[in-house]
Amino acid sequence: DAGVIQSPRHEVTEMGQEVTLRCKPISGHNSLFWYRQTMMRGLELLIYFNNNVPIDDSGMPEDRFSAKMPNASFSTLKIQPSEPRDSAVYFCASSNRGQEKLFFGSGTQLSVL
Amino acid sequence: QKEVEQNSGPLSVPEGAIASLNCTYSDRGSQSFFWYRQYSGKSPELIMFIYSNGDKEDGRFTAQLNKASQYVSLLIRDSQPSDSATYLCAVRSYNTDKLIFGTGTRLQVFP
Repeated sequence: DAGVIQSPRHEVTEMGQEVTLRCKPISGHNSLFWYRQTMMRGLELLIYFNNNVPIDDSGMPEDRFSAKMPNASFSTLKIQPSEPRDSAVYFCASSNRGQEKLFFGSGTQLSVL
Repeated sequence: QKEVEQNSGPLSVPEGAIASLNCTYSDRGSQSFFWYRQYSGKSPELIMFIYSNGDKEDGRFTAQLNKASQYVSLLIRDSQPSDSATYLCAVRSYNTDKLIFGTGTRLQVFP
């Protein structure tokens, strides 16, 4: 299996632009998580899905952030409009419910200028 | 108070020594406890998990849990330079898939 696949690996954009991050979980996994990592705040859970349904989005910073999971093999995290403080590494992770291990993607390094 | 707290370090130990990494958590309902390792520029990877009070050993790694004190630790015996990384403590409460991470402790093992 190829593991969790995220795209793009790097994204540089200007303040005010829309940013879309993409994630393909491991086939057969039914839980998907979006995390954001910064030096100051560490690894923060933004939102997670079970069976494509959003379960907990309490970590989403504000209305500028939205996430979707239209099917079991694809999820997006959208920021509109983007701001410099959104600059971070965004990780997607997947697992099977009942399994302990989270499998992380390689992350998307987002820079908002 | 943060839900999961770790000293950011860096923790510097000589090669061959025991490295001790510590973590405290605030939610008494927490049921599962994890240690992830993250090399610079890479994604986190699971090292160990522990559910019950006491020690759990896996090779050079030992996880220790004390629920009464809300404390979990990771010991690395015979530390190697290749163990130099950031170690993330993570906690999951009962009946949820939500995994909350600490900010991590940076470990440096010098030859």
